[in-house]
Amino acid sequence: DQQVKQNSPSLSVQEGRISILNCDYTNSMFDYFLWYKKYPAEGPTFLISISSIKDKNEDGRFTVFLNKSAKHLSLHIVPSQPGDSAVYFCAAGASETSGSRLTFGEGTQLTVNP
Amino acid sequence: AAGVIQSPRHLIKEKRETATLKCYPIPRHDTVYWYQQGPGQDPQFLISFYEKMQSDKGSIPDRFSAQQFSDYHSELNMSSLELGDSALYFCASSSNRAGTVNTEAFFGQGTRLTVV
Repeated sequence: DQQVKQNSPSLSVQEGRISILNCDYTNSMFDYFLWYKKYPAEGPTFLISISSIKDKNEDGRFTVFLNKSAKHLSLHIVPSQPGDSAVYFCAAGASETSGSRLTFGEGTQLTVNP
Repeated sequence: AAGVIQSPRHLIKEKRETATLKCYPIPRHDTVYWYQQGPGQDPQFLISFYEKMQSDKGSIPDRFSAQQFSDYHSELNMSSLELGDSALYFCASSSNRAGTVNTEAFFGQGTRLTVV
């Protein structure tokens, strides 16, 4: 039962354009969401998060949008840079219990072409 | 800034052997998580500890056990290793307080376990 889904296994964009990565979830208990970037053989690197009390959070070139009614979130990267090429994981958690797990999506491989 | 430290980075074991993976969280972080990532898969949650007590349990085999010590470091003990245990094992830490929205978890570089 995949509670967090990233339906696009890969995405290719041109440098300078916008990258939009999507994520859907099914568990209504999730109330905070995170995006991680991962290179091969390295640990995931935290990028940006959003709480369910917000619908948008922005940090530099990265913006996360949350649509609770649709159980959908997206990560926008603009402008995209070749160094952004990596696997991006969406993760979700429920805050009711301290130390409860993060559930990850399957990941999307982003390739930014020069 | 100090990050999550995992050791060893690489480990090769034979079937039926045991392995111990260590994780040192970011200072002042009270929560540790363990994840297993197989080739081409997303990280799968194994177990977590908050203030040295188990807080959540995922798909961790009975052959595996873990604990968090008084200095907040954690160890994942794996016995009767099988070929299918070969994977990247990640530890993450965060700072959580009951009743608040959990903050982001920061991951270590991982331990690559190869069972031969």
